[in-house]
This record gives sequence, structure tokens and C-alpha cells, in this order.
Amino acid sequence: GQQVMQIPQYQHVQEGEDFTTYCNSSTTLSNIQWYKQRPGGHPVFLIQLVKSGEVKKQKRLTFQFGEAKKNSSLHITATQTTDVGTYFCAGPNSGTYKYIFGTGTRLKVLA
Amino acid sequence: SQTIHQWPATLVQPVGSPLSLECTVEGTSNPNLYWYRQAAGRGLQLLFYSVGIGQISSEVPQNLSASRPQDRQFILSSKKLLLSDSGFYLCACWGGATNEKLFFGSGTQLSVL
Repeated sequence: GQQVMQIPQYQHVQEGEDFTTYCNSSTTLSNIQWYKQRPGGHPVFLIQLVKSGEVKKQKRLTFQFGEAKKNSSLHITATQTTDVGTYFCAGPNSGTYKYIFGTGTRLKVLA
Repeated sequence: SQTIHQWPATLVQPVGSPLSLECTVEGTSNPNLYWYRQAAGRGLQLLFYSVGIGQISSEVPQNLSASRPQDRQFILSSKKLLLSDSGFYLCACWGGATNEKLFFGSGTQLSVL
């Protein structure tokens, strides 16, 4: 079945450093979504990418969808303590109504 | 916008006891509904999803079951809980359009002792 992997699994950074998480799907995705889950909370939608090679920015966050629509990345510039949490990518399973989540990257920011 | 009510927030149950977690949705009709489970520090595992009343698709063989008795109600059940059923259970809703996002409930932290 479809698998969505993320690397790294964990990342500790000093406040002000940059952070990147990578998402790879075993199958081509029609779109990809990114979610953030704060410790103890539930996942909250960040953004959706649809087009091959698409790049979107939200303040310090930059999201990219690969040309082959099988991979994606999230880059955070100059991390802040408020960026702490787990970042998940998610994609629809082709031909079904299932949304498959990546394994997640847990970010810890040290002040 | 959509709102998902999920309860209880925390639950401690003995091994072998039954389970019933309920999720209700407001602000949309005929949504696709999902149950995910998250082990501590891990990713989201899709357990069940439903595209309509009485329609349930199971993703992982286990001792859990799901039901959708009403359009905006989704229930997760077990007749006898196992230790391995412990985790954070999340109900989610999706309107079905490709540009729509998943909305999550606040989750239930289940501890089976």
C-alpha cells in the first residue's frame, strides 16, 4: 500500500537556526497537505500544494511540492520557540477517500 | 466552518473492558469521517473511514470497530480492550473536495491498564 515517509524523525535546533523536513511518498500524489501538531494537541492544517513544482510561503515557512509530485518539503527560516511541535505531511490515497499521513518530524527549539 | 466534538478528553480503562468513543460534526453535511490513532511520539495511523451513513472501511485488522449511525456521528468501539489499544485517538472530518482540508477533533487520550 501507499507509504509516506518523513525525515528526519526528530530535530533539535537552536532558536534562530533553520529547519527542514522532507516528505516522500511511494506513489504520485494529486495534492499534498501539511499539518502541525503542538505537544498534547491535535493536527492543524497549514497548507495544501497541488501543482507540480509549486512553492508557497507563509511568513517564515516555505513549502515545496516536487516535480514528480512524490515528494515535498517544509523549510522554516530562523526558528522560534513557537515552532515547536510535530510536522506532518499528508496525501490522498489515489482512488479512495483515505488521507495517509507521513511519519512526522518532531521539532524542538532550544532557546 | 466545521466543528468536531470529540469526547471524553481522557479515559483510563482496564484491560478487557468495553470502549465507546463518540465524535460529532457540525457545520457540514455528508462529510467523510475518519478515526486515527497515534501512539506516544509517533505518527497517525488510519483506523477507519466512512463516506456515508452505515458505510465503514477498516484499514487495520484489530479488535476495534466503528459505526456511523447518523450523518454527522462517528463512533469507535471495542468489546474488550487490549493494552496495545492505548493511544491518542483522533476523529477527523473532510468535506470531500480536493481543495478541502482535514479538520480534527481535540482527541481522546486512552490508557488501558
